[in-house]
Amino acid sequence: DAGVIQSPRHEVTEMGQEVTLRCKPISGHNSLFWYRQTMMRGLELLIYFNNNVPIDDSGMPEDRFSAKMPNASFSTLKIQPSEPRDSAVYFCASSFSGSVYEQYFGPGTRLTVT
Amino acid sequence: DQQVKQNSPSLSVQEGRISILNCDYTNSMFDYFLWYKKYPAEGPTFLISISSIKDKNEDGRFTVFLNKSAKHLSLHIVPSQPGDSAVYFCAAHPFGNEKLTFGTGTRLTIIP
Repeated sequence: DAGVIQSPRHEVTEMGQEVTLRCKPISGHNSLFWYRQTMMRGLELLIYFNNNVPIDDSGMPEDRFSAKMPNASFSTLKIQPSEPRDSAVYFCASSFSGSVYEQYFGPGTRLTVT
Repeated sequence: DQQVKQNSPSLSVQEGRISILNCDYTNSMFDYFLWYKKYPAEGPTFLISISSIKDKNEDGRFTVFLNKSAKHLSLHIVPSQPGDSAVYFCAAHPFGNEKLTFGTGTRLTIIP
């Protein structure tokens, strides 16, 4: 059974460019989470969806960040325009919110904005 | 406001000995606690969890202890193996809310 799939694994872009990160959750999971990991702030939740609906986006840093989940098997996190301080590892995780909330993480996307 | 704290950024333990990783929390609404393990260039992987109605949960070499009155949990690994070298995160969420709050992690190094 495939785990959470993220693409790309690495992204290097110039300041001001648009960046789109992609995530495919585990089949059957109905919750999806986007996290960002930095040295300074650790692992922080940006936004999460339940049944494709955004539930909590209080962690989204600012309007430059947006996330969508058009269907149960796909989500995107977009940064437009990107800035050097957005450089981090972005993780996507999914879970089945029927009982205990064990989240399963993808391998992450390492974003570098120059 | 760091609601979940892992005050030891790193820990080194001899192979075969016990590793004890600690975690403190401040939010009394937290109801469920989890430990994740992370290797470099990989996502965190779920390790073990405990509900607030219990004070201990075991899974093989891994045991998690919860002291609700002290708002403290710990992860014991016995015996420690080289493959246990990783960063360990504790996390917590309130009942009925799947939003996890993570600690900052502890880097465990097992010395052969």
